Amino acid sequence: QHQLVQSGTEVKKTGASVKVSCKASGYTLSDLGITWVRQDPGHGLVWMGWIGAHNGDTDYAQNFQGRVTLTTDIFRNVAYMELTSLRSDDTAVYFCARGWRVNNFDLWGQGTRVTVSS
Amino acid sequence: QSVLTQPASVSGSPGQSITLSCIDMRSGVSAYSSVSWYQQHPGKAPQLIIYDATIRPPGVSHRFSGSQSGNAASLTISGLQAEDEADYFCSSFVGGDTVMFGGGTKLTVL
Repeated sequence: QHQLVQSGTEVKKTGASVKVSCKASGYTLSDLGITWVRQDPGHGLVWMGWIGAHNGDTDYAQNFQGRVTLTTDIFRNVAYMELTSLRSDDTAVYFCARGWRVNNFDLWGQGTRVTVSS
Repeated sequence: QSVLTQPASVSGSPGQSITLSCIDMRSGVSAYSSVSWYQQHPGKAPQLIIYDATIRPPGVSHRFSGSQSGNAASLTISGLQAEDEADYFCSSFVGGDTVMFGGGTKLTVL
């Protein structure tokens, strides 16, 4: 059974960084890459970027350029999303999803809630 | 503000068919690239229900169908059921190497 399991809830101070993990099971993460999407409270989905795990190629949404870094550990079959210089409006649920340079994300993690406060 | 515009809410009664729209507001764009649709129940992750405008992934009910014409894509749900009450998001490639989601439509089953 293919699964993406994300790390747990995070509470951070303004200006700090957060690193969310996304572990793939039942398939090899490097085959299909990983996309990261966030959902602001009560709002829609926002594409953050993706990483081709087999080659490390990344594309980032303009809104997150310079603050987000996507990486993978192909040996542990885990993807990571690090967001720095956190602001209160980064409070959201962050999802990983299977897919790279595609527009059909067929497998999603359960989401990680990140709360940022001063 | 997303370039993919969806109505904020729609409603329908059980058994009815309803259609959700997703319109690309970018000027000069005459056709989508690979529209997808996702269903999201409260507190859950989105689920892919349509990709490439019309294709249903395995396991998705045949009551869901997609279409596309010019800069508008549509998701039709036939035989509406209580379990269809959810948020629905469309998405499309924007600029070839990025993806954008629509603002989402909240479907209420009366």
